[in-house]
Amino acid sequence: DAKTTQPNSMESNEEEPVHLPCNHSTISGTDYIHWYRQLPSQGPEYVIHGLTSNVNNRMASLAIAEDRKSSTLILHRATLRDAAVYYCILSNGAGSYQLTFGKGTKLSVIP
Amino acid sequence: NAGVMQNPRHLVRRRGQEARLRCSPMKGHSHVYWYRQLPEEGLKFMVYLQKENIIDESGMPKERFSAEFPKEGPSILRIQQVVRGDSAAYFCASRNTGELFFGEGSRLTVL
Repeated sequence: DAKTTQPNSMESNEEEPVHLPCNHSTISGTDYIHWYRQLPSQGPEYVIHGLTSNVNNRMASLAIAEDRKSSTLILHRATLRDAAVYYCILSNGAGSYQLTFGKGTKLSVIP
Repeated sequence: NAGVMQNPRHLVRRRGQEARLRCSPMKGHSHVYWYRQLPEEGLKFMVYLQKENIIDESGMPKERFSAEFPKEGPSILRIQQVVRGDSAAYFCASRNTGELFFGEGSRLTVL
């Protein structure tokens, strides 16, 4: 499976934008990029996913590099509730959900 | 619309006992996934089931672990003769045609 690399941790001030990077240099043409987040003592929560084009939803935006070797999850205005571990995951094909979660990025939000 | 329901939330077993973890998927979801999260680690895929069928069990240990998703009732993850290394959080996820929805997990402690 193609692997992803994320920083172990990041900090953001409340109400500021946050850019969470993810490198996936061995991504294949059919791999989708998924982002999930996990709040303390809870199950993961879907955030966003994409293939080639940038994506926006009510939670976040996903910016995908032209060569697809990296992507960035953008939280437009961080709140305290956004403090979580964010996972960037690749899946082979749109219908594949046997996902491999790495250690993710632990985001701390400072009031 | 109730989310993915897992029980028990916490389970303590002594070495050699059996653990049974239950998962009721979201209404209308026919795909169920089980993941395991060891302390300070990301989630690891274990098994993917549809009603009465195991689709992919490539992440399941070959011995002592089994899973089922009967025609009626919840999906069950069964661990026989538990050992200390089985102590982890076990998450169930379900989906219909979209992304995964996770439960809050069952935390197994083996004494």
